[in-house]
Amino acid sequence: GENVEQHPSTLSVQEGDSAVIKCTYSDSASNYFPWYKQELGKGPQLIIDIRSNVGEKKDQRIAVTLNKTAKHFSLHITETQPEDSAVYFCAASMITGNQFYFGTGTSLTVIP
Amino acid sequence: NAGVTQTPKFQVLKTGQSMTLQCAQDMNHEYMSWYRQDPGMGLRLIHYSVGAGITDQGEVPNGYNVSRSTTEDFPLRLLSAAPSQTSVYFCASSSASGGEETQYFGPGTRLLVL
Repeated sequence: GENVEQHPSTLSVQEGDSAVIKCTYSDSASNYFPWYKQELGKGPQLIIDIRSNVGEKKDQRIAVTLNKTAKHFSLHITETQPEDSAVYFCAASMITGNQFYFGTGTSLTVIP
Repeated sequence: NAGVTQTPKFQVLKTGQSMTLQCAQDMNHEYMSWYRQDPGMGLRLIHYSVGAGITDQGEVPNGYNVSRSTTEDFPLRLLSAAPSQTSVYFCASSSASGGEETQYFGPGTRLLVL
């Protein structure tokens, strides 16, 4: 099955700086890559996703890039704010599939 | 809409006991799934369902049973609890499988097996 690796496991940035989280995947058949944000005591919430026919997608301060050849995708958060502090998960699946494979999570701390 | 609801929020079991984790959604979603979340391991899929009467195994199904008698409910049963099943359990739903639609997660059930 698919194997998703995520780095780093923890990340601390100063408020206003950028944060980058990287994931790699193993199955070239995967073509859908969502990112989730999980706040303490809550379930994960989708923040952005990308499909394999697109190389980059942006939504305000959040962007995701995808390199299909290298099988890696990244989450970029610009102008970080304290409310961005949370655990972020990447995932991979096939658009027509039934299973999602998650990375191990990145705990992001934004220092005011 | 309440979205995805899970009960209980927290449960303590003794080894060998059985219990059912409840999950319900009011969005008329066809696809529902159960994950467990363990430190350093992300979320791992236990079982999923693509519609009422249809269930299938995920990555880590051993020790768990599911059924889907209605579109709204997708309970997860622990047959004989073991300490290795201590985890946080999340239920999720979406209107379609795979990457067609957004998955919505419930708030989770924290389970401790002694």
